[in-house]
Amino acid sequence: SQQGEEDPQALSIQEGENATMNCSYKTSINNLQWYRQNSGRGLVHLILIRSNEREKHSGRLRVTLDTSKKSSSLLITASRAADTASYFCAINNAGNMLTFGGGTRLMVKP
Amino acid sequence: DTEVTQTPKHLVMGMTNKKSLKCEQHMGHRAMYWYKQKAKKPPELMFVYSYEKLSINESVPSRFSPECPNSSLLNLHLHALQPEDSALYLCASSQAGNVAKNIQYFGAGTRLSVL
Repeated sequence: SQQGEEDPQALSIQEGENATMNCSYKTSINNLQWYRQNSGRGLVHLILIRSNEREKHSGRLRVTLDTSKKSSSLLITASRAADTASYFCAINNAGNMLTFGGGTRLMVKP
Repeated sequence: DTEVTQTPKHLVMGMTNKKSLKCEQHMGHRAMYWYKQKAKKPPELMFVYSYEKLSINESVPSRFSPECPNSSLLNLHLHALQPEDSALYLCASSQAGNVAKNIQYFGAGTRLSVL
């Protein structure tokens, strides 16, 4: 079953702009992760935020987590054409299992 | 080496064929996963192996048969598939038993077409 819901489903921006994607979920979590997938390829892990953390940064990425609202956001600053991909949030709430959200398809126009 | 290698990259098979997908990792990970992904959809978990034992089967039809011969290898045996089984099949691995570090590393996938 799909645990995370993402919005928007698709996002188109110009190079240099910021991109924000949101993820909502329904149950308690151990951690929440974000992955990127280039077209037809495998997923690449971007960042993991634990349930007791509120914000995390990695390079141009900023992730926030609000457990009271059961939501997370991924911000990509100063976007580049190479950031064009699908982005998935993934919920870990039991063991090693991840349940992926529906994904946001990001297009960054040069 | 943070690579998960999947072979073949592409596979076309008829509904009566038997084929196998292979996955290999040398990161010392003891948890390995098979996912199925349809176009424009998220990956859906099929199977989880933990310490070479099948720990989760997400109600996958028996025409998909997983096998974990050793801690580095994961196979998915396919038999009598249906056209709706056409999808990207992804393998992943992670450390086992450490929830805080269970980042999954994915292979590039096998694009399967069932005719």
